[in-house]
Amino acid sequence: GAVVSQHPSRVICKSGTSVKIECRSLDFQATTMFWYRQFPKQSLMLMATSNEGSKATYEQGVEKDKFLINHASLTLSTLTVTSAHPEDSSFYICSARFPGGDSPLHFGNGTRLTVT
Amino acid sequence: DQQVKQNSPSLSVQEGRISILNCDYTNSMFDYFLWYKKYPAEGPTFLISISSIKDKNEDGRFTVFLNKSAKHLSLHIVPSQPGDSAVYFCAASRGYGGATNKLIFGTGTLLAVQP
Repeated sequence: GAVVSQHPSRVICKSGTSVKIECRSLDFQATTMFWYRQFPKQSLMLMATSNEGSKATYEQGVEKDKFLINHASLTLSTLTVTSAHPEDSSFYICSARFPGGDSPLHFGNGTRLTVT
Repeated sequence: DQQVKQNSPSLSVQEGRISILNCDYTNSMFDYFLWYKKYPAEGPTFLISISSIKDKNEDGRFTVFLNKSAKHLSLHIVPSQPGDSAVYFCAASRGYGGATNKLIFGTGTLLAVQP
């Protein structure tokens, strides 16, 4: 079964509004979660690393004021796309890894964001 | 700079035959490699992984081969089934087991298994 839950699965919003996407680890605590973005027919690009209780680490070229990340608990990280524009339309996916050991990343089902 | 490359955007295979998906990487510091399968509008699903201390790892119909000197890995699926039709991503990281190790993904290969 799913180990990472992401909500909503799809959202349509108007330009200028903000959208919040939630990512939850199910039945395990994730001190670190990762947010990826995928454009059509392209690879998954890491946007930022979400750290529980501290600031997120953003990849080069990702605007931290645009993509606000909050990791307030060991099972929840949120990504807020602020003042959304049509070019922010994309597929956003979160992931987490079981703590310890040789464990792969598990991904949520993603959120399809469409900004009109 | 694409550190992980999948040069074949698509592959078509007959049911029952072998599917071979290839992946090349440029960063010699990568020592953990994974394959994920992805359906449209869903998140990737982990398939199989290999660490750099091995050159082969097998799990059922899936086998991953790693050639460190060539910086090349491949995923073999045999026998291929129509349900295997999906986009396959290879991914690499420096180190494993730590929660903070970042995965770098390839561009994906769309596999179509024909009945």
